[in-house]
Amino acid sequence: SYVLTQPPSVSGAPGQTVRITCGGYNIGDQPVHWYQKKAGQAPVLVVYDVFARPSGIPERFSGSSSENAATLTITRVEAGDEADYYCQVWHSNGDHQGFFGGGTKLTVL
Amino acid sequence: QVQLVESGGGVVQPGRSLRLACAVSGFTFSGYAMHWVRQSPGKGLEWVAFISHDGGLKDYADSVKGRFTISRDNSRNSLYLQMNSLRVDDTAVYYCARGLRYLDAYYFDHWGQGTLVTVSS
Repeated sequence: SYVLTQPPSVSGAPGQTVRITCGGYNIGDQPVHWYQKKAGQAPVLVVYDVFARPSGIPERFSGSSSENAATLTITRVEAGDEADYYCQVWHSNGDHQGFFGGGTKLTVL
Repeated sequence: QVQLVESGGGVVQPGRSLRLACAVSGFTFSGYAMHWVRQSPGKGLEWVAFISHDGGLKDYADSVKGRFTISRDNSRNSLYLQMNSLRVDDTAVYYCARGLRYLDAYYFDHWGQGTLVTVSS
């Protein structure tokens, strides 16, 4: 098993910048992906391969990574960004398994 | 456009079985790995199972290994999840998701709307 650690919650006022971290052993050596999940809706991929953005995702969403943590940064936060955010990695050493962080609730004040 | 539609959810007693299906359209199904991911009430996302594009490689989360079986029918553009020996903690919304591969690692670029499985006596 592999544990990804996220803060349970973050908050910010409209227009501010918020950062959501994802910690894990040697996470800096792995592609990390981020999903936005709103209640009653399917998850949406917002950042993949650490810092790439799918088409249709605003430039306000960006990703980065260091040795011990990956970070999702949302600039100029909007009310519509309020959601749960999850980081995810994949392991293929013997087993082939996916792992999600516990999720971070973003509240827009 | 890419569409994934899950079906087969419902209420089932502990110890019984259920089979979920995911019908896909809008892309060449046989060219992509597929996954099941679930979310239990009030909890986070949990990856459940993976199947390679041709069905030759499969794997499961430790929590379902030996009880769940993933399969696919590329001729019918359909993905399945056979769930046996269901437990109360299998209660969740189950999502099928398309997998994209980068550096031998998968992420999920398209998701269905999910189907609710409730395991209760």
